Amino acid sequence: DVKVTQSSRYLVKRTGEKVFLECVQDMDHENMFWYRQDPGLGLRLIYFSYDVKMKEKGDIPEGYSVSREKKERFSLILESASTNQTSMYLCASSLYRVSNQPQHFGDGTRLSIL
Amino acid sequence: AQKITQTQPGMFVQEKEAVTLDCTYDTSDPSYGLFWYKQPSSGEMIFLIYQGSYDQQNATEGRYSLNFQKARKSANLVISASQLGDSAMYFCAIKAWETDKLIFGTGTRLQVFP
Repeated sequence: DVKVTQSSRYLVKRTGEKVFLECVQDMDHENMFWYRQDPGLGLRLIYFSYDVKMKEKGDIPEGYSVSREKKERFSLILESASTNQTSMYLCASSLYRVSNQPQHFGDGTRLSIL
Repeated sequence: AQKITQTQPGMFVQEKEAVTLDCTYDTSDPSYGLFWYKQPSSGEMIFLIYQGSYDQQNATEGRYSLNFQKARKSANLVISASQLGDSAMYFCAIKAWETDKLIFGTGTRLQVFP
């Protein structure tokens, strides 16, 4: 069975801290994605990656960076956390250029910045 | 640019009844795919059903079916014989065939009552 694992379900950090959210998939997928989800706004794409060491900006990359050193792992980094980054963060993975394949999601991380 | 519109913020349905969740989309791409996801209160995103733009028949997966009307650019999800466990947020999403990114709507919260 496919599996996308996010390192934390709940996380509380302080303003100004550097925050790392980790995501690991065991399906040998080329693509990995980071979204944030806010009430009334749906899911918005922060960054995505088609391959190791490759990354592309999504719709809301400001304040975030990513790292993909290994195929199975995609990290989201909040360089200096701010209260407006309090949100639900979802990681997903999918096969590269297979049109009918869905993205598979992790359970999400509820991040609170105090 | 692609866009998904879900106009129903919330829907109620009685157990064992059928319910339709609306989704309209906008795209200039000739080839695309439409996806529906379910998100229970626990937070994980569960893939439900897929419809390709060139598929001749409406997609079905168990109690889920997709009422796909290409000319009207709508892809409504029909859930038959609703169950209490169907209570969740439901998201419609579109993917162009030349990219692997999903664009999500804002979601519909479905509540099933006894």
